[in-house]
Amino acid sequence: ETGVTQSPTHLIKTRGQQVTLRCSSQSGHNTVSWYQQALGQGPQFIFQYYREEENGRGNFPPRFSGLQFPNYSSELNVNALELDDSALYLCASSGWTSGRPTYNEQFFGPGTRLTVL
Amino acid sequence: RKEVEQDPGPFNVPEGATVAFNCTYSNSASQSFFWYRQDCRKEPKLLMSVYSSGNEDGRFTAQLNRASQYISLLIRDSKLSDSATYLCVVALGTGNQFYFGTGTSLTVIP
Repeated sequence: ETGVTQSPTHLIKTRGQQVTLRCSSQSGHNTVSWYQQALGQGPQFIFQYYREEENGRGNFPPRFSGLQFPNYSSELNVNALELDDSALYLCASSGWTSGRPTYNEQFFGPGTRLTVL
Repeated sequence: RKEVEQDPGPFNVPEGATVAFNCTYSNSASQSFFWYRQDCRKEPKLLMSVYSSGNEDGRFTAQLNRASQYISLLIRDSKLSDSATYLCVVALGTGNQFYFGTGTSLTVIP
């Protein structure tokens, strides 16, 4: 177990609705990255937060937004949901592990499975 | 063009076989390289980092060729428990953002 938690585990929404997914990073980690994994595909980078600031963004439209809180937990918000947004959403944290910087490695949470009907 | 290209397989091999996975990456500025393993409906987990000098961890050997922008993973003496999807990952940018390949599916058959 990595210590990264995500909620909810599963979620069903309808087209046009909005959704908020949550992630708690591993203790000592100040960087959180979000990924979307469609069925049969590898995870796709959405964006990354470092110390509450966005620190890079993948090829996703502005209706995908996020934030990071002072305790380094993070939220991913998706507005105007589309059918193609159905996927597993993964959060990964990085930072200091066991007293040393390990930004090179990302630790993934179990994911939130979003279904859009 | 995708950052990382990977043969999706599937690879079906008998126990004890040796199997090799390859991937290529497009951005020469890529900084770090990894193989992650993902079991069905689970999150990806780090299998090993990949270095230019090559590195080995038990039955697993990873290799990086920066000139050809090519990464490989060799699994020797395959076990049933090796059945999973293997994801090739390159890291880019100041925040070490990860770019994944499609993943290669491996099934080890008794």
